[in-house]
Amino acid sequence: EDQVTQSPEALRLQEGESSSLNCSYTVSGLRGLFWYRQDPGKGPEFLFTLYSAGEEKEKERLKATLTKKESFLHITAPKPEDSATYLCAVLTNAGGTSYGKLTFGQGTILTVHP
Amino acid sequence: GAGVSQSPRYKVTKRGQDVALRCDPISGHVSLYWYRQALGQGPEFLTYFNYEAQQDKSGLPNDRFSAERPEGSISTLTIQRTEQRDSAMYRCASSLIQNTEAFFGQGTRLTVV
Repeated sequence: EDQVTQSPEALRLQEGESSSLNCSYTVSGLRGLFWYRQDPGKGPEFLFTLYSAGEEKEKERLKATLTKKESFLHITAPKPEDSATYLCAVLTNAGGTSYGKLTFGQGTILTVHP
Repeated sequence: GAGVSQSPRYKVTKRGQDVALRCDPISGHVSLYWYRQALGQGPEFLTYFNYEAQQDKSGLPNDRFSAERPEGSISTLTIQRTEQRDSAMYRCASSLIQNTEAFFGQGTRLTVV
């Protein structure tokens, strides 16, 4: 069974204090990995897609990287508005079909204090 | 439409009643997912459509849950004989084609009393 584990469950940072969130996975046939941001009361908002090991994507203060067993979301000099829950999701083969199943981790709650 | 639209936003129903939750995906998106999300948890997969075909329903908890997408656009998730344990946020997402990023709606908060 595909498993996605995010760590830490919660992270508190001071404004400007850089850190990383981890998403480790045990899956058969990874097709891609997605990062989402979710604000309280809202639906997940798409951030990045990574398709192969070694790939990196950047957006403002966020950078996502992918290896064969895990992905990191690096946050550089965070601001209070970066506070949110960050979710990763893996896209995997579903029974040998062309369809990829999207399975989410439980999320990391990030709080950035001014 | 501009984004994924779900209705109603909130639904309170009595135990034993049937409910239907609607999802209107982004125009032109062929793939549609239904998820259920408990507070403090990541979304839990329920079912997936490619066009009108339901390609995966392995996440539906039991046979009281069903979903359809008859014309390959709007989808309805139906829960029959609701129980209190069905109370949750139900989220719909769509993607342009298979195996690409999915975009989520605001969700429907279902409360069974």
